[in-house]
Amino acid sequence: GAVVSQHPSRVICKSGTSVKIECRSLDFQATTMFWYRQFPKQSLMLMATSNEGSKATYEQGVEKDKFLINHASLTLSTLTVTSAHPEDSSFYICSARDRASGTYEQYFGPGTRLTVT
Amino acid sequence: QKEVEQDPGPLSVPEGAIVSLNCTYSNSAFQYFMWYRQYSRKGPELLMYTYSSGNKEDGRFTAQVDKSSKYISLFIRDSQPSDSATYLCAIRETSGSRLTFGEGTQLTVNP
Repeated sequence: GAVVSQHPSRVICKSGTSVKIECRSLDFQATTMFWYRQFPKQSLMLMATSNEGSKATYEQGVEKDKFLINHASLTLSTLTVTSAHPEDSSFYICSARDRASGTYEQYFGPGTRLTVT
Repeated sequence: QKEVEQDPGPLSVPEGAIVSLNCTYSNSAFQYFMWYRQYSRKGPELLMYTYSSGNKEDGRFTAQVDKSSKYISLFIRDSQPSDSATYLCAIRETSGSRLTFGEGTQLTVNP
């Protein structure tokens, strides 16, 4: 149980374009989803926390107009990287908290590797 | 000072060895402690979760927490090549708060 999927698994885009990454909880409802960024050989850095039906809370230093987050349903959150630049190239990972479990554990998706050329 | 410090390694051991992975933290408000395993180009998976000082064992894995020293450890017994991965400690203050991750330790178990 507690499977989280991400799509796409990898994407290459040109500088200046926008890219949307989807995060889905497959077998549970997630009231809260988290978006992380991970650079090579570095740890996960929390970008934002999204709650279903409300605006995302962004961490300090993360531009909310550049990284648009939509948590439209209890099983889907999307991250859109707008006007992407090469420095946005990274591994983006989402996680979801199972509403019913009561444990507050986060289940992670497999990640999306974004390369901006 | 980082909230969570973890030696990034890399750590290389022979198959069958006992592996010790460690993190220190600075905020005494941290109450919940987790270890995640991350294979290359994959998302992290939860290995161990504890919220009290002492030891917690699950198969070949033992998580140890010493709140007085702000020190947490993960021990892997009889290590296998399939244990080769990056191990991340993660800590949070309360049951619903954000996770703070360590840098991760890259482990290689050689057959």
